[in-house]
Amino acid sequence: DVKVTQSSRYLVKRTGEKVFLECVQDMDHENMFWYRQDPGLGLRLIYFSYDVKMKEKGDIPEGYSVSREKKERFSLILESASTNQTSMYLCASSFKNSYEQYFGPGTRLTVT
Amino acid sequence: RKEVEQDPGPFNVPEGATVAFNCTYSNSASQSFFWYRQDCRKEPKLLMSVYSSGNEDGRFTAQLNRASQYISLLIRDSKLSDSATYLCVVNVMTTDSWGKLQFGAGTQVVVTP
Repeated sequence: DVKVTQSSRYLVKRTGEKVFLECVQDMDHENMFWYRQDPGLGLRLIYFSYDVKMKEKGDIPEGYSVSREKKERFSLILESASTNQTSMYLCASSFKNSYEQYFGPGTRLTVT
Repeated sequence: RKEVEQDPGPFNVPEGATVAFNCTYSNSASQSFFWYRQDCRKEPKLLMSVYSSGNEDGRFTAQLNRASQYISLLIRDSKLSDSATYLCVVNVMTTDSWGKLQFGAGTQVVVTP
């Protein structure tokens, strides 16, 4: 069974703090993704990576950065958290040419 | 305008009944289509791909209408366990070799005893 794990289920941070969200997959997937999910808006792609040290901007990259130093790990960084970044963050992974993405359980981030 | 639009519902369905709902997409260059299922407070999981000729997977039937740019999902003989949010997902090819998935906001289905 594919397993995608995320470092925290719930996180509360203050405005201006630097926030790290970690994602690890155990299926040797080439592609990894970070989404945020907000009511009425669906999942929106923040960044994705199709290889180690490679990254591509998604639809809403502003205010975020990512790091992929190892194939199994993809980190999302909020350099200076703001209240409008309060959301559910979902990590996903897939094989190179597959559209089936496997999601982690999500991290509900609250920025106060 | 959103690239993928869905009726948010909820669709309240008696157990054993049939429910169907659609999703429209705006980009005519969309190439691949999927339904994902998301249970309450859980992550999305792939339910089924949608093929041009339509396809079935047990009690679930998916259809694609390229001319009108919509896909549909029909659930027959609804079970309580079908209660979930169904996400319409469309793949749009970009300049990269790999396309990007666009997710709809989801249609909530509630199956009642």
